[in-house]
Amino acid sequence: SQQGEEDPQALSIQEGENATMNCSYKTSINNLQWYRQNSGRGLVHLILIRSNEREKHSGRLRVTLDTSKKSSSLLITASRAADTASYFCTSRGGAQKLVFGQGTRLTINP
Amino acid sequence: DTEVTQTPKHLVMGMTNKKSLKCEQHMGHRAMYWYKQKAKKPPELMFVYSYEKLSINESVPSRFSPECPNSSLLNLHLHALQPEDSALYLCASSRGPQETQYFGPGTRLLVL
Repeated sequence: SQQGEEDPQALSIQEGENATMNCSYKTSINNLQWYRQNSGRGLVHLILIRSNEREKHSGRLRVTLDTSKKSSSLLITASRAADTASYFCTSRGGAQKLVFGQGTRLTINP
Repeated sequence: DTEVTQTPKHLVMGMTNKKSLKCEQHMGHRAMYWYKQKAKKPPELMFVYSYEKLSINESVPSRFSPECPNSSLLNLHLHALQPEDSALYLCASSRGPQETQYFGPGTRLLVL
């Protein structure tokens, strides 16, 4: 299977703290993307990092990519209650297929 | 218009019913996708339409039948479903087959 693994499966932190989620994948990629999914709803695209990039920022999000280790991390700084959601990394398994990791369920406690 | 819409939001159907899920986008995207998502699991790809032609069918049972009437619309026809088909069905679209996918809010399906 090309599906990656995400770590941790669940993360619970206090509001204001930073949250870090990790993702590993199995095959070579052109890019890796992170999505957020609020409870039982559609996925929102957060950020895309290309295979020739090592780090990318978007607002409070920081994504790193290590192609030698086939891994990526997503850091959310200064977390807010609204960040409570599931976070998925996706890698492209072929021209048209996104392969999703298992996801990290993030809970931000007030 | 920068969103993907899906109707209905919720659907309850019996195993002998025939129903359809609808997905629409007006972003000029030429690739559209159906995913199935079970609780606490990642989405799983079912079908891909590229330029209104079915390009990927992930060995989905024939009780699910996709249709792409035009570049803005994607339907999923359901017939003789099983209770294990109960899930969140997500539609997505992208500018091209390798571009970022944008997801609709999903249809939550319950098969009794």
